[in-house]
Amino acid sequence: EVQLQESGPGLVKPSQSLSLTCSVTGYSITSNYWGWIRKFPGNKMEWMGYISYSGSTSYNPSLKSRISITRDTSKNQFFLQLNSVTTEDTATYYCARYGLTTVASFDYWGQGVMVTVSS
Amino acid sequence: DVVMTQTPVSLSVSLGNQASISCRSSQSLLHSDGNTYLSWYLQKPGQSPQLLIYLASNRFSGVSNRFSGSGSGTDFTLKISRVEPEDLGVYYCFQHTHLPPTFGSGTKLEIK
Repeated sequence: EVQLQESGPGLVKPSQSLSLTCSVTGYSITSNYWGWIRKFPGNKMEWMGYISYSGSTSYNPSLKSRISITRDTSKNQFFLQLNSVTTEDTATYYCARYGLTTVASFDYWGQGVMVTVSS
Repeated sequence: DVVMTQTPVSLSVSLGNQASISCRSSQSLLHSDGNTYLSWYLQKPGQSPQLLIYLASNRFSGVSNRFSGSGSGTDFTLKISRVEPEDLGVYYCFQHTHLPPTFGSGTKLEIK
């Protein structure tokens, strides 16, 4: 069974970097595309970006100067780094898999990790 | 960015009745490859979002046939027939035709 699990600090200070790990079991990240999505307090959801099976990336232009998505295929993990965070980056962060048959949609999600940006 | 407008914001439905959620996009979601990359998700309380519908009208594996998606271009609808208690939560539409992909603002379904 495909499982994704986010991990990382729950509290980050303003101006610092947010770093999260998505650990995947039951499926290789060298297949499919893998995304990061966040949900802000309230209901707003934002697509942040993805990394592909080959390691190519695509980012939301609203974040482009601050975001980096990388991977470690040996550990079957991919990572999110968001630089120069502000309180507006406080959100629950999810990693998710793009389906193959369910084109351009997320068929498996992690449980999410809540990150608060505060001094 | 493509704006996805969901209505209503909240919906209170009696058990066994039908619920309908609208999602309108600011641009057509018909991709040049002929696909319409519109999906629907349900986020139940305390859980991650779960995929219900992809490519506007295809039900994801294991999803109840009480859920159906329809629409084209800029107008899409999710219908839930015979609402059950486990259907409560927040529903989102999501488009991936245009970059960046964008979500609707969510519709909260409550059971009356």
